[in-house]
Amino acid sequence: GDSVTQMEGPVTLSEEAFLTINCTYTATGYPSLFWYVQYPGEGLQLLLKATKADDKGSNKGFEATYRKETTSFHLEKGSVQVSDSAVYFCAPTSLGGSQGNLIFGKGTKLSVKP
Amino acid sequence: DTGVSQDPRHKITKRGQNVTFRCDPISEHNRLYWYRQTLGQGPEFLTYFQNEAQLEKSRLLSDRFSAERPKGSFSTLEIQRTEQGDSAMYLCASSLQAYEQYFGPGTRLTVT
Repeated sequence: GDSVTQMEGPVTLSEEAFLTINCTYTATGYPSLFWYVQYPGEGLQLLLKATKADDKGSNKGFEATYRKETTSFHLEKGSVQVSDSAVYFCAPTSLGGSQGNLIFGKGTKLSVKP
Repeated sequence: DTGVSQDPRHKITKRGQNVTFRCDPISEHNRLYWYRQTLGQGPEFLTYFQNEAQLEKSRLLSDRFSAERPKGSFSTLEIQRTEQGDSAMYLCASSLQAYEQYFGPGTRLTVT
């Protein structure tokens, strides 16, 4: 069935460092791809999305490109800030059944030190 | 836009009791989803509605769980005869068709 694999955390970086969080998915078709972020004590927030191959989603300095050939959607940011400390979830949509529910990875916890 | 709201935010109950949670989606959204998140894990899909019709249920949704969405507006999720393994954060999300989902703050259930 559809699944997603995310880079294991926790990831600890210094402020202004480059961030990459790897995400690969298994699906037989063309799911939409999302990154969600969960700040401490808060709910899930949509960070960015891509709906077709080679699309680049971007928001708040974060970017991810839909790579159909490698079934990947890696999250990147050129210069992280302390305020980026959170748990990040990669989530493709399921292509079975409802064709809409999200499949979440375990999440990657990011800690940014000043 | 008031976003997705959930009530209550926290619920502590004793094993064997019934509990009911409510979700109010973003007003123009026709799809509503329920997920469950346990500590250190990502959310897992439970069920979803398109308008008032419940179109899919995960195998995670045992017979003790029931969800409704009367009139295609708010939704309720009821758990009967709660067990300690039901302790989790229950998340609601809504979307317009199959576009991006917006999540509520969740209801944290603790079964003692």
